[in-house]
Amino acid sequence: DGGITQSPKYLFRKEGQNVTLSCEQNLNHDAMYWYRQDPGQGLRLIYYSQIVNDFQKGDIAEGYSVSREKKESFPLTVTSAQKNPTAFYLCASRADTDTQYFGPGTRLTVL
Amino acid sequence: QKEVEQNSGPLSVPEGAIASLNCTYSDRGSQSFFWYRQYSGKSPELIMFIYSNGDKEDGRFTAQLNKASQYVSLLIRDSQPSDSATYLCAVNRGGGNNRLAFGKGNQVVVIP
Repeated sequence: DGGITQSPKYLFRKEGQNVTLSCEQNLNHDAMYWYRQDPGQGLRLIYYSQIVNDFQKGDIAEGYSVSREKKESFPLTVTSAQKNPTAFYLCASRADTDTQYFGPGTRLTVL
Repeated sequence: QKEVEQNSGPLSVPEGAIASLNCTYSDRGSQSFFWYRQYSGKSPELIMFIYSNGDKEDGRFTAQLNKASQYVSLLIRDSQPSDSATYLCAVNRGGGNNRLAFGKGNQVVVIP
C-alpha cells in the first residue's frame, strides 16, 4: 500500500522543548517537502529536499531543522527557537512531474 | 503583490449548481498549476492540474488557464454536499526548484 505517512497525528510540546515530526514515503519519490498551515492561511514552505543528503531552506525555516539520510524519510525537528510552533504540519513528496502529494499531517500544539 | 491570490469569503452554492473559483498569480514564469481540495482537519488532496492554456475537464471538474491574464480557475459542475471543502490553488514557482506557492484557499459550502 503506497503512500506518505506522518506521525504522530497529534503532538503536544512544552515550552523550550524540541520535538521531531516523522514523514515516511514508499512512493520512490526523490523530492520531499515540509509545510506549515495556520488557520485560514495557505501553506508555507519550511524546508525541502530534492535528493538524498541534500536539503534547502524554504520561506520560513527559522526555528526548524531537517535531515535527509534516506530517500524514504524526511523528519522535521521543531526547535525551541521556533516561537510560535502551534500549527498543522504537512509533509509532501513529488513525482517526476511537478505534482506534490501530501501526507495526513501532524497537528502540533504548544502547552 | 502576493504570489497566489484567491478571492476571499466562503462561496455558498445550491446543490446541483456550478461553483466557480478563481486564482491569480504574479510570476509569469510559472508553468504548472494545481487545485487541491482540503476537508476540514484533513490534508490537501490533488483534484486537478493544468499546464496549457485553455480548459481541462475531469469528471465534474474543469480547470481553466489563461497565462496572458495570469489566472487559473476551477469550475465544479453539479455541486454535491461532498464538495463542501476548502479549495487551494497552487502555482509552480519559477527558478527550477519545483516549489509550489499556495493561495489561502476558498471555502465552498454546498447547500442541499
